[in-house]
This record gives sequence, structure tokens and C-alpha cells, in this order.
Amino acid sequence: AQTVTQSQPEMSVQEAETVTLSCTYDTSESNYYLFWYKQPPSRQMILVIRQEAYKQQNATENRFSVNFQKAAKSFSLKISDSQLGDTAMYFCAFMIANSKLTFGKGITLSVRP
Amino acid sequence: EAEVAQSPRYKITEKSQAVAFWCDPISGHATLYWYRQILGQGPELLVQFQDESVVDDSQLPKDRFSAERLKGVDSTLKIQPAELGDSAMYLCASSLIWTSYEQYFGPGTRLTVT
Repeated sequence: AQTVTQSQPEMSVQEAETVTLSCTYDTSESNYYLFWYKQPPSRQMILVIRQEAYKQQNATENRFSVNFQKAAKSFSLKISDSQLGDTAMYFCAFMIANSKLTFGKGITLSVRP
Repeated sequence: EAEVAQSPRYKITEKSQAVAFWCDPISGHATLYWYRQILGQGPELLVQFQDESVVDDSQLPKDRFSAERLKGVDSTLKIQPAELGDSAMYLCASSLIWTSYEQYFGPGTRLTVT
């Protein structure tokens, strides 16, 4: 069975600064996908970024980037130039092709003005 | 921009009562998912549909939960009877096909059982 672990329950960052959210996972599969989802207060969950395990290059989406360490089974999210709108719960998630998403417990990120 | 619609947004019910949630996926999306998200935790899949067929309902408590997607479009999730432990957010998501890795989530239904 696949597991996703987010050990930090919450973090806080000053506006305009950089923050890194940690995630580790466990699987015996070699082909899979990793995701970071954002869930703002009282709003729907949206996909922030995804990474295919077969790609060595780390994914980047504007201010969001990941550090994917396949051997260490680590998948962290870096948010640069943090904005107030980044305040949300962030979930790390894992999926084997054609199977279900497995989510971590999430981390609450607060961006301070 | 097309979105997944869910209703109601909030529901308060007494234990032992029946409750139902509705989801309308993005038009053209063949795959529909129901998740349960307990406060402070990540979502867990309850049931997955491909068109009108159930693909995965291994985590659905079938003694009290049921789900249907009769015409392969919108879907209803029912709980009967509701228990205190069912208090949670119920999320619906859809994707274009079941091999698609991108799921689009609705706003959810917050259920409180008293």
C-alpha cells in the first residue's frame, strides 16, 4: 500500500519570502505521479503542481517548484515570493497510473502581511 | 470556466436520519469521484465511477452508504442512517477519463451529524 506523510502540521511565512513544504511517500512502484494540491479556506481544492516519477527534471509552475528526490522518496514544494493568497492547506498526493489519489494529512500555511 | 457543482454546501442532520449529496461534474468528464475529508486530514476516496459504472468502491461503508450515477452524468451519495462519525466534508471530483491524472474538485458539502 502507498502512504504519504506530511509531518509538519502548520507553517507560517512572511509575505514575499520563500517557504518549503515537506512530503515523503512510500511505494514499491516505479511509475507514478506526485502532486501538490491547495485548499484555500472555504474554497475548492485546486492542483498546484504535478511531477511524473520518470522525469528527472523538477517541475516548475511560476512561483511554485518542487524538489523531487526519487531515491529518498521525498517531494517538497517551494513557494517563492509568498503572497497573502497562498494562505491555505496544502496536500501532497500520490497516484499510480489508472489508480486512486492517496493524500497526506496536509499542512496549514499562513502568509503574514 | 467550467466547475464541479455540489449541493448542498452545508448540511446538519440528526443521527439515524438519511442524508443525500449531489454532484454535477464538468461537462464531458467521464470519471467521477466521491471523497470524504475528516477535519484535519486529507481526502480519502469513497467511490469512483467511470460513466455509470463503479470502478472502485472498496472504501465505501456499504452498510450505510450508497452512490449512483444513473445516466453517467451527475451523481448522488446517500447515507442512511447517519452516524456521529460521518461528520466530515464530502468532496466530489471529476476527470476527463479515468487514466487522466488531473482531477477537478467541487466546493464540497460540509456534513454535521448531531
